[in-house]
Amino acid sequence: ETGVTQSPTHLIKTRGQQVTLRCSSQSGHNTVSWYQQALGQGPQFIFQYYREEENGRGNFPPRFSGLQFPNYSSELNVNALELDDSALYLCASSPDRDETQYFGPGTRLLVL
Amino acid sequence: DQQVKQNSPSLSVQEGRISILNCDYTNSMFDYFLWYKKYPAEGPTFLISISSIKDKNEDGRFTVFLNKSAKHLSLHIVPSQPGDSAVYFCAARHQGAQKLVFGQGTRLTINP
Repeated sequence: ETGVTQSPTHLIKTRGQQVTLRCSSQSGHNTVSWYQQALGQGPQFIFQYYREEENGRGNFPPRFSGLQFPNYSSELNVNALELDDSALYLCASSPDRDETQYFGPGTRLLVL
Repeated sequence: DQQVKQNSPSLSVQEGRISILNCDYTNSMFDYFLWYKKYPAEGPTFLISISSIKDKNEDGRFTVFLNKSAKHLSLHIVPSQPGDSAVYFCAARHQGAQKLVFGQGTRLTINP
């Protein structure tokens, strides 16, 4: 059984650009959650997808959006990047909505 | 409003001794708590969890204690090993909620 994978590992963008981050969940996991981790902080919940539908959202603006696909992959899209979007972005998959979340290695995004 | 707090940014323990990491929470609706360990350049790795109906859960060298009246949980690692050096996050969730709420993390260093 493979774990959660994310791509790319690192990314540099400039302010105002758009970015798409990708995640591949563990096989059989129907739930994926995305988190933003700023330096020196714990991860902050962005949103969760369950069976390809958004299933809850944290305090992030609409320019953060996502998609989940039937093949256990998902995307996090961020439009109109701001400097404060620089962070580690983590995805986590779980067998179901209320079960333990297993994290990928993250994508480190730097916005200049 | 920080609902989950880890008040010690760092902790240094001698190899073979007990490591105790602490976590406090303010939201009485939390009913499930988890500990994750994070190495640099990796995502958080699930360690151990506890439901609010219990006050102790043990898994090998790791034991989590929950004191609901004090809204406090702790992770005990005994004996501590050099490979335990990492950042430890506690996280909480309440029933029906999708998100995990994380503390800021405690950096544990095990000295030989």
